[in-house]
Amino acid sequence: ETGVTQTPRHLVMGMTNKKSLKCEQHLGHNAMYWYKQSAKKPLELMFVYSLEERVENNSVPSRFSPECPNSSHLFLHLHTLQPEDSALYLCASSQLGRGGQDEQFFGPGTRLTVL
Amino acid sequence: AQSVSQHNHHVILSEAASLELGCNYSYGGTVNLFWYVQYPGQHLQLLLKYFSGDPLVKGIKGFEAEFIKSKFSFNLRKPSVQWSDTAEYFCAVNAASGGYQKVTFGIGTKLQVIP
Repeated sequence: ETGVTQTPRHLVMGMTNKKSLKCEQHLGHNAMYWYKQSAKKPLELMFVYSLEERVENNSVPSRFSPECPNSSHLFLHLHTLQPEDSALYLCASSQLGRGGQDEQFFGPGTRLTVL
Repeated sequence: AQSVSQHNHHVILSEAASLELGCNYSYGGTVNLFWYVQYPGQHLQLLLKYFSGDPLVKGIKGFEAEFIKSKFSFNLRKPSVQWSDTAEYFCAVNAASGGYQKVTFGIGTKLQVIP
């Protein structure tokens, strides 16, 4: 256990569905991240929240919509996804403010399949 | 922009063999360097990190890595691998600018250790 939990662990959805992924961190960190992990590709950073404000959006399609209501929770809202969006979605958290030294703590991921 | 290259995408070793996984990065400034490991069915976790001081860093489970600034490298080593080291290994670079961290990951190396 890393102190970062994600639900659901597995999700199958159709292209017209709307679903949400949830992430919760119990580490008191002030930054949270969404990553996409696809086979044979580097981990792709999707969104970064620092102190509950979005500070990075790596040109992610608008069908992915993040929400960070407080420093412990992060959501990824999904709608009208495409089959190529099938991947493992990872949430991570870290503590900022010490020269960038701190590692990120990852959740177990949500395995998403889009039919 | 920073980038990370991992040269070996799939490595197969027998138990007790020595391991070296290559990692090169491109970034002109001060960096923090990480190796993460993902065991089958488990979350990404930190193996070791370098941010300053001794360029030879030791991590968990007998792993070590050497930062060679002139070669922009941070290779991971273990003198004698075990079957339980079967996992995927990711090198990551973080520009040490304080505040928000942008971590760039390599594509990963799958290590299979044969008993």
